[in-house]
Amino acid sequence: GENVEQHPSTLSVQEGDSAVIKCTYSDSASNYFPWYKQELGKRPQLIIDIRSNVGEKKDQRIAVTLNKTAKHFSLHITETQPEDSAVYFCAASMGSNYQLIWGAGTKLIIKP
Amino acid sequence: EADIYQTPRYLVIGTGKKITLECSQTMGHDKMYWYQQDPGMELHLIHYSYGVNSTEKGDLSSESTVSRIRTEHFPLTLESARPSHTSQYLCASSESRGPDTEAFFGQGTRLTVV
Repeated sequence: GENVEQHPSTLSVQEGDSAVIKCTYSDSASNYFPWYKQELGKRPQLIIDIRSNVGEKKDQRIAVTLNKTAKHFSLHITETQPEDSAVYFCAASMGSNYQLIWGAGTKLIIKP
Repeated sequence: EADIYQTPRYLVIGTGKKITLECSQTMGHDKMYWYQQDPGMELHLIHYSYGVNSTEKGDLSSESTVSRIRTEHFPLTLESARPSHTSQYLCASSESRGPDTEAFFGQGTRLTVV
């Protein structure tokens, strides 16, 4: 069936270090992969996305890479800061109606 | 301001009560969704709609129903609330023009069934 697996479920990094969250997807026809950030008590919000015709996209300290052959994509956060602490969700657009299938989320903890 | 609104933000009700969670969006989006989420945990799709008079069940069976009589309005009804329904309910919407459209979420309704 259609699914997205996300790892790790919890990630703790020292402030200033880099963080990497990985997702794999099942449908080789998927062509849109967004990442959402959900701060404590807030709603999920889009932070970056990538389309299948691009291998990498960067926006300041965050970047996303896509490997269509292996069907996986990753979120990279460099020079982590306390405000990066949140739950991050990956998703992939699947099916004829472009349904977003969500990963289970990664809780990112930035240690001071 | 174009946004997606949910009411109420918090609700405490007794077991067996019927409740309706409201969701409205002013962005003119065709697609709307209801998710159940325990704090900081996975998003579980309950229902979705691709337009007026179109509704589908998601993966999570929560003994709820939805309606889509108007584009901007997508209410969720629990016919008989149970303690297992205690959770946060998030409404979302997106355009239907293709695969790469952003989903916008409401602020959520935190439901407690006692």
